[in-house]
Amino acid sequence: EPEVTQTPSHQVTQMGQEVILRCVPISNHLYFYWYRQILGQKVEFLVSFYNNEISEKSEIFDDQFSVERPDGSNFTLKIRSTKLEDSAMYFCASRGDRGDPNQPQHFGDGTRLSIL
Amino acid sequence: AQTVTQSQPEMSVQEAETVTLSCTYDTSESDYYLFWYKQPPSRQMILVIRQEAYKQQNATENRFSVNFQKAAKSFSLKISDSQLGDAAMYFCAYRRGYNFNKFYFGSGTKLNVKP
Repeated sequence: EPEVTQTPSHQVTQMGQEVILRCVPISNHLYFYWYRQILGQKVEFLVSFYNNEISEKSEIFDDQFSVERPDGSNFTLKIRSTKLEDSAMYFCASRGDRGDPNQPQHFGDGTRLSIL
Repeated sequence: AQTVTQSQPEMSVQEAETVTLSCTYDTSESDYYLFWYKQPPSRQMILVIRQEAYKQQNATENRFSVNFQKAAKSFSLKISDSQLGDAAMYFCAYRRGYNFNKFYFGSGTKLNVKP
């Protein structure tokens, strides 16, 4: 069964540095998402992306964050000037079929981001 | 604002027994969807079951079933004949109606299955 893949599984970065988290969604999917889960807390929606633009974003997704689909297969989340509170598990998800939003989102394994 | 609450941080069940995980939510919408996701130690979240709010019949998927009480805004998950592979974090999630993408997740319930 096709899977959403995320790399790296664990990223350690110095505070203030930029980090790019990478995701390869399922190949025929059209909708892409990023979520984060701070340790011990609930999963939080960050952003959804469709047709090469952001379709919805949360209040967490401020100017520090950006997303990109650079080459038709990867979907990246960039965090500029990372802060300690950005330490979390980041999940990518994708969904197919533009005609049916009831199609389930498929999640990747997540990238654990640790800011030092 | 939409919120999803899971009041049981951790639960345990004996193998082959039945367990029920609780979830409540708050919304002013009439059209929405509810989900249970499973997150095993391997970390990938997997959809377990889905319920459309407009459907009165409770969703069932093999050993998994829900008790959807719309008026009470309650959406519990029942796992029958529990198996060791059911051990995982379980997240309840809410999504607004047809054209909305954003999920709201509960804080999760860790399910332990004892042999």
